[in-house]
Amino acid sequence: EAGVTQSPTHLIKTRGQQATLRCSPISGHTSVYWYQQALGLGLQFLLWYDEGEERNRGNFPPRFSGRQFPNYSSELNVNALELEDSALYLCASSKRTKSGPGELFFGEGSRLTVL
Amino acid sequence: GQQLNQSPQSMFIQEGEDVSMNCTSSSIFNTWLWYKQDPGEGPVLLIALYKAGELTSNGRLTAQFGITRKDSFLNISASIPSDVGIYFCAGQYTDSWGKLQFGAGTQVVVTP
Repeated sequence: EAGVTQSPTHLIKTRGQQATLRCSPISGHTSVYWYQQALGLGLQFLLWYDEGEERNRGNFPPRFSGRQFPNYSSELNVNALELEDSALYLCASSKRTKSGPGELFFGEGSRLTVL
Repeated sequence: GQQLNQSPQSMFIQEGEDVSMNCTSSSIFNTWLWYKQDPGEGPVLLIALYKAGELTSNGRLTAQFGITRKDSFLNISASIPSDVGIYFCAGQYTDSWGKLQFGAGTQVVVTP
């Protein structure tokens, strides 16, 4: 069974540009999560999508946005890039259970570098 | 705000030694998860805990969900070189559905 897949692996942009990152969840998983991991830091929650809707959002500015498609894949858009947006962006997926989100399984991440 | 503290920040141990790390939260969690992250890769789930007092093992790994629901520990017994990596605790607050709060990580280095 394929795991969570993310693309691109690496992305280099300049300040002010836009970046789009993509994620395909594990088959059967309906929830997709996005996390930011800046160098040497822990994971910071960005967004949670489930069944095509945004369910929860972390403390990030509105220029971080995303969406989930009918096939449960997702994309994360970062507008007006700033230098501090340079980070590893991790996507995770989970099944939706009665008690809430199940265990999260992560992809290998997309490394965004802003110059 | 809600705080999640993970300690120690790093550990340098000899092969064969046991490792222990823990996380404490300022608020109650309904889920505790432990992940390991190798360089250049995404975190891999090691153990998931869903009930206060729950003690779960996965091979040489053992983790517990604290009775107060505000803490958890992870033990690694008889460490081997491939245990090297960063270990993260993560929890979900009862009032923040779907959002996992991650600890800052514990860097484990195993020397022969």
